[in-house]
Amino acid sequence: DVQLVESGGGLVQPGGSLRLSCVASGCAFSSYWMSWVRQAPGKGLEWVANIKQDGSEKYYVDSVKGRFTISRDYAKNSLYLQMDSLRAEDTAVYYCARNGMSGQRWFDCWGRGTLVTVSS
Amino acid sequence: DIQMTQSPSSLSASVGDRVTITCRASQSINSNLNWYQQKPGKAPNLLIYVASSLQSGVPSRFSGSGSGTDFTLTISSLQPEDFATYYCQQSYSIPITFGQGTRLEIK
Repeated sequence: DVQLVESGGGLVQPGGSLRLSCVASGCAFSSYWMSWVRQAPGKGLEWVANIKQDGSEKYYVDSVKGRFTISRDYAKNSLYLQMDSLRAEDTAVYYCARNGMSGQRWFDCWGRGTLVTVSS
Repeated sequence: DIQMTQSPSSLSASVGDRVTITCRASQSINSNLNWYQQKPGKAPNLLIYVASSLQSGVPSRFSGSGSGTDFTLTISSLQPEDFATYYCQQSYSIPITFGQGTRLEIK
């Protein structure tokens, strides 16, 4: 029973752009911080970015600062990740994840992920 | 950034065994430590939050302990569905960081 649904992944050339989307279908969304977490093939988990309920606060891991932008649409119950200047090392499955209650920085609801491949 | 180090990196065990996985933070994170289980091709699943609180729906054979820099995840009696990779994660500060994972395999 999928609760968050990501889309927008695919193959892109180095230096290119991609926009990921995440729609909430089974877990509450609007009252929670939301995050993107990625996993390179065969590797561990890496937190990428998070955003407050109203979008007023956003944080990023250093490796994507200035290249990725997290945003959300309250009315559409949707989360986004705009990825620019993509590099080979950005190749990963990208998961949308809900933060715990009251902005807690654990993740209690996840999507199935969408694969981003950066290659020429 | 806070570095999270898990040990062991891999572990072989049998059904019914008691298993302990450890996680060490590079600085004190109080009790801001969470554990996840991930099966191949699936998203991670939250097991334990704030070091020892069991997430709703998670079997009671899973337990967590620790504070400061040293933490453990214990599975009291391994079941076939527990063979997976386990990750710790600190929620003390940004950037949020994960351990490298512990792969639990069937002996």
